[in-house]
Amino acid sequence: GAVVSQHPSRVICKSGTSVKIECRSLDFQATTMFWYRQFPKQSLMLMATSNEGSKATYEQGVEKDKFLINHASLTLSTLTVTSAHPEDSSFYICSAFPGQGYEQYFGPGTRLTVT
Amino acid sequence: EDQVTQSPEALRLQEGESSSLNCSYTVSGLRGLFWYRQDPGKGPEFLFTLYSAGEEKEKERLKATLTKKESFLHITAPKPEDSATYLCAVPPIEEYGNKLVFGAGTILRVKS
Repeated sequence: GAVVSQHPSRVICKSGTSVKIECRSLDFQATTMFWYRQFPKQSLMLMATSNEGSKATYEQGVEKDKFLINHASLTLSTLTVTSAHPEDSSFYICSAFPGQGYEQYFGPGTRLTVT
Repeated sequence: EDQVTQSPEALRLQEGESSSLNCSYTVSGLRGLFWYRQDPGKGPEFLFTLYSAGEEKEKERLKATLTKKESFLHITAPKPEDSATYLCAVPPIEEYGNKLVFGAGTILRVKS
């Protein structure tokens, strides 16, 4: 149980283009989903919290117009990196919260490379 | 002020050499402490949740314990497949809701 998928697992895009990453909870409904960014050999940095049907809450310093988050259903959240630049290259990980306790269940991550 | 501090940053063990990882926290009114395992290039895998001092949980060669100030992840007779980064996390002090604040992690390498 508590399986979260992400798609794609890897993506390479050109500078200036946009990339969409999907996060799905496969066997439970997620009232809240989280998006993290992780740099090499560093811990997880929370970017934003998204609740189904409402606007995402972004952490300080995260550009909401650059990282668009949509949480259209209880099993799907998307992160769109708009007008990507090489400095956006990173490992993006989503997690889903099933609504009880505090445990979050993580997706496998998406490696974004912007050339 | 860091809310979660993990030590050591890295740990190298021989197969079968037991040891412990530490996670200290500064939040009061702890609403849970979480341990995750992360393999390179993958998302974190949930291991344990601890809610109150004195609580212990076990899974295979891992045992997590909790005091009022810190948590330990004990690894008994580790195997090479236990090599990973171990992360601990707590809900933040100043906010309610279900966010988590992660420590920097301990990179564990077990050599055969």
